[in-house]
Amino acid sequence: GAVVSQHPSWVICKSGTSVKIECRSLDFQATTMFWYRQFPKQSLMLMATSNEGSKATYEQGVEKDKFLINHASLTLSTLTVTSAHPEDSSFYICSADRTSGANVLTFGAGSRLTVL
Amino acid sequence: KNEVEQSPQNLTAQEGEFITINCSYSVGISALHWLQQHPGGGIVSLFMLSSGKKKHGRLIATINIQEKHSSLHITASHPRDSAVYICAAGSQGNLIFGKGTKLSVKP
Repeated sequence: GAVVSQHPSWVICKSGTSVKIECRSLDFQATTMFWYRQFPKQSLMLMATSNEGSKATYEQGVEKDKFLINHASLTLSTLTVTSAHPEDSSFYICSADRTSGANVLTFGAGSRLTVL
Repeated sequence: KNEVEQSPQNLTAQEGEFITINCSYSVGISALHWLQQHPGGGIVSLFMLSSGKKKHGRLIATINIQEKHSSLHITASHPRDSAVYICAAGSQGNLIFGKGTKLSVKP
């Protein structure tokens, strides 16, 4: 079956540093990937839609200069949290659309970020 | 009012019991997802539904588009089913997530 690999699964970093999270579709091409985050005791929420070869679309309230998304190939999207602060500590999850627009989503297992 | 509501919030069951988790939504959707989240946070996709019913092992998911309601059933529950179950509704990856139902199955 289709697999989305997300790496790292957890990361601890110091305040002010940048952290990159990768979302990779292992056995299919994904023109569209999605990034979500989940703060403690809250629901998952969509952060941005990542389109291969074009700029990501960010949801309201998500700073595009802080959360840099790159989708340079059909199998890889990256989320970089720049100048991380403790309030960025969260669980970040990606999903990939296996067949463009057909709602066949595969989720990554998630990445837990802790900023000290 | 949340656009995706799940009930119950917490559920404790004895091993072997039949379990139902409900999800109501008010948004327009092209698909509804059921996800399982384990204590470490990892997400597993269980079902994606746009109509009718799907079954995978002991898990069954149903959706009623007219009533904007979906249910997830677990038959012969087992302690390893203990997790948070999340309903998500929307279009493609533009999903609104429920707050989750925390299930605890006791041996």
